[in-house]
Amino acid sequence: DIQMTQSPSSLSASVGDRVTLTCRAGQRIDTYLNWYQQRPGEAPKLLIYAASSLQSGVPSRFSGSGSGTDFTLTVSSLQPEDFATYFCQQSYSTPQTFGQGTKVEIK
Amino acid sequence: EVQLLESGGGLVQPGGSLRLSCAASGFTFSAYAMSWVRQAPGKGLEWVSGISGSGGSLYQDTDSVKGRFIISRDNSKNTLYLQMNSLRVEDTAVYYCAKAARRALPGHFDNWGQGTLVTVSS
Repeated sequence: DIQMTQSPSSLSASVGDRVTLTCRAGQRIDTYLNWYQQRPGEAPKLLIYAASSLQSGVPSRFSGSGSGTDFTLTVSSLQPEDFATYFCQQSYSTPQTFGQGTKVEIK
Repeated sequence: EVQLLESGGGLVQPGGSLRLSCAASGFTFSAYAMSWVRQAPGKGLEWVSGISGSGGSLYQDTDSVKGRFIISRDNSKNTLYLQMNSLRVEDTAVYYCAKAARRALPGHFDNWGQGTLVTVSS
């Protein structure tokens, strides 16, 4: 199984901040990397697929980059509704493993 | 509008069985792979199992459920299932069904259900 590691586990930020979350794969996965947002009590929501493609309906302040083993999710200007937990997931092979998540909290 | 509605969760004793269902609507069900993803209380997401749009391909279950959980689908009823046997306390989680963006796996999941809670406890 491919191990996915996210950092940091949590971070505190203010509305308007630019934040960058990192995901590292245990082996090369090309650009088969997806990002999901999960607010408390809600189901996950797809933000980014194939490392850098923005899912329809997702605000353009979200962006993704990377290939191989190292990936990032950037939020250019945090909004109140962005305080949530973010998970990366590889879709290179099954089982489709997730990272442990990064919780973005209000400073 | 895509809708995924899970049901069948509840309280079960260790060693027991449950069958989860996910009723799908708003898209051509047979054209997309589906998966079950679970989340233990306060924990992260864990992919459990997947199945192709036709049902002809089953994808590697995560090790923790191999030999105990069986995924299936009935395309005539637009419904995904997860038969869970020999349940363990560590299977306690919210179980989500997730729609893939393509006919086969692996792939990204563009729609999720609201989840159904399975509690395994004596």
